[in-house]
Amino acid sequence: NAGVTQTPKFQVLKTGQSMTLQCAQDMNHEYMSWYRQDPGMGLRLIHYSVGAGITDQGEVPNGYNVSRSTTEDFPLRLLSAAPSQTSVYFCASSYVQGNEQYFGPGTRLTVT
Amino acid sequence: SQELEQSPQSLIVQEGKNLTINCTSSKTLYGLYWYKQKYGEGLIFLMMLQKGGEEKSHEKITAKLDEKKQQSSLHITASQPSHAGIYLCGADPGTASKLTFGTGTRLQVTL
Repeated sequence: NAGVTQTPKFQVLKTGQSMTLQCAQDMNHEYMSWYRQDPGMGLRLIHYSVGAGITDQGEVPNGYNVSRSTTEDFPLRLLSAAPSQTSVYFCASSYVQGNEQYFGPGTRLTVT
Repeated sequence: SQELEQSPQSLIVQEGKNLTINCTSSKTLYGLYWYKQKYGEGLIFLMMLQKGGEEKSHEKITAKLDEKKQQSSLHITASQPSHAGIYLCGADPGTASKLTFGTGTRLQVTL
């Protein structure tokens, strides 16, 4: 198993540009989440999904969209990038409620 | 919303010394997760605690959840350079996809 994979690893965007961060898992996990990590703020939940076709907002959803058309994939879309979205983004998945989450290696995004 | 406070924020210890990291929650914990993050990398799961008074160990790392389920501690015995990194506690508010994380404790182990 490859586990949780994220692409790209690094990305630089200009303000106003849009892009999609990819996340895939091959463990047949129902639960998937997106977090952002900023210095001194820990990890904050952006969006999450409890299964294909079901998504919900987390703590900091503004400026981001998600969809879950398959169990394996959970892309995160930045609609119009802003410097405040400069961060490291982590995707995570877990099998069922109460189980450990598996994290991807992260995407380091810089918005200029 | 549930808030997690970790202490200390950073820690420098000499190799071979013991250390403890604390995680205090503003609400009762249904599940408490400990993760380790190496600099510039993703998070690695260490342990999960669910029952008040529960204690788990893996190699030289022991985690405990207090009886009232509002505080957890992570203890490392005889620290090694491989223990260096950022330790984060995460709280389960009832669904595994909505973990709330503390701000982390940065550990350095000197030779």
